[in-house]
Amino acid sequence: AQSVTQPDIHITVSEGASLELRCNYSYGATPYLFWYVQSPGQGLQLLLKYFSGDTLVQGIKGFEAEFKRSQSSFNLRKPSVHWSDAAEYFCAVVERGATNKLIFGTGTLLAVQP
Amino acid sequence: DTEVTQTPKHLVMGMTNKKSLKCEQHMGHRAMYWYKQKAKKPPELMFVYSYEKLSINESVPSRFSPECPNSSLLNLHLHALQPEDSALYLCASSQEGQGYGYTFGSGTRLTVV
Repeated sequence: AQSVTQPDIHITVSEGASLELRCNYSYGATPYLFWYVQSPGQGLQLLLKYFSGDTLVQGIKGFEAEFKRSQSSFNLRKPSVHWSDAAEYFCAVVERGATNKLIFGTGTLLAVQP
Repeated sequence: DTEVTQTPKHLVMGMTNKKSLKCEQHMGHRAMYWYKQKAKKPPELMFVYSYEKLSINESVPSRFSPECPNSSLLNLHLHALQPEDSALYLCASSQEGQGYGYTFGSGTRLTVV
């Protein structure tokens, strides 16, 4: 069965510092991968997605992610974090089939220090 | 229109009440989903509708009853809920078979008292 692992439950970075959130997946074929962000009490917003092609994917809000098949990873990066980036981040993989079931990782809570 | 709209945003209900959550999208997506999210946890899939037919029920208790009246609308009927059912209920939609990613609504915060 497909699965997603986010090893870091909680990360704190200083405003202006760079950020990398880790995501590892387990999937037999080429995965469809996503990063979502969730602010407190809100729904999930899609940051970026990877299906195929260029392994470096650009998203909204200055985020990017790199797909590395050899490491089964899809890490999210941002060169300079803003205080408004504080939120929960979920990596997800689509279990492809008739209904494209979305499987989430456990999430990483990002705190930003001034 | 690129949004999924959920109403109400907040709901408090007693264990003997009957209430409904509503979800609407006008993006032409043919798959719609209900997720339940407890605090500090990832969303958990409850139901999937594909072309207005229920295709996945993730062993959800019968006190939750989904309904898809048309391709734009998804309801979740609630009856005799328990306090542990208190959670954020998220609706999502996607283009069927494409895996373009889900568009999520902002959710309904449900409290069962």
